[in-house]
Amino acid sequence: DAGVTQSPTHLIKTRGQQVTLRCSPKSGHDTVSWYQQALGQGPQFIFQYYEEEERQRGNFPDRFSGHQFPNYSSELNVNALLLGDSALYLCASSLGAMRQPQHFGDGTRLSIL
Amino acid sequence: AQTVTQSQPEMSVQEAETVTLSCTYDTSESDYYLFWYKQPPSRQMILVIRQEAYKQQNATENRFSVNFQKAAKSFSLKISDSQLGDAAMYFCAYRTMSNTGNQFYFGTGTSLTVIP
Repeated sequence: DAGVTQSPTHLIKTRGQQVTLRCSPKSGHDTVSWYQQALGQGPQFIFQYYEEEERQRGNFPDRFSGHQFPNYSSELNVNALLLGDSALYLCASSLGAMRQPQHFGDGTRLSIL
Repeated sequence: AQTVTQSQPEMSVQEAETVTLSCTYDTSESDYYLFWYKQPPSRQMILVIRQEAYKQQNATENRFSVNFQKAAKSFSLKISDSQLGDAAMYFCAYRTMSNTGNQFYFGTGTSLTVIP
């Protein structure tokens, strides 16, 4: 039973560029959440997707956008990259109901030069 | 908004000894979940233990147990018989039970070192 998988594992970009990160949820899960974890900090909630729609959003600018596909996989897009966007980006999946636990992937390490 | 505070950036423990990691949180909700996650250098967040706020009994998972004090909004993690593999970053997290969402609010973490 595959868990949450994220790609790529590591990415290097320069300021102003755009990036797309990908997440495949754990088998049987239909909800995907994205988190940003800066170095030395706890993860911060970016947004959550369910039924191909953004259901909740944290305190992140519109440069951060996402998408969920019919197979429940998800993408996180970040435009006009800033140095401060350097972080580990974690994807978590769950089955829609509130009481189900979230399972995390290994993350994508994004470095902005 | 919910906030989670971990006041111990770093802790160390001798192998086979017991260590307690502290966590406090702030919320106006009466029903919620609390979690401890472990993040080793491999980066994956691994669930250690969880507690439903409506349950008075403290959760236990083998060598891991919590001391949940709802009135004090305190949620500490006790690791007994510490092992080298317990060395990692530990995050305390809060999750609402309301229909507004199920995102996590994380603390800033405690780095645990296990001394052989």
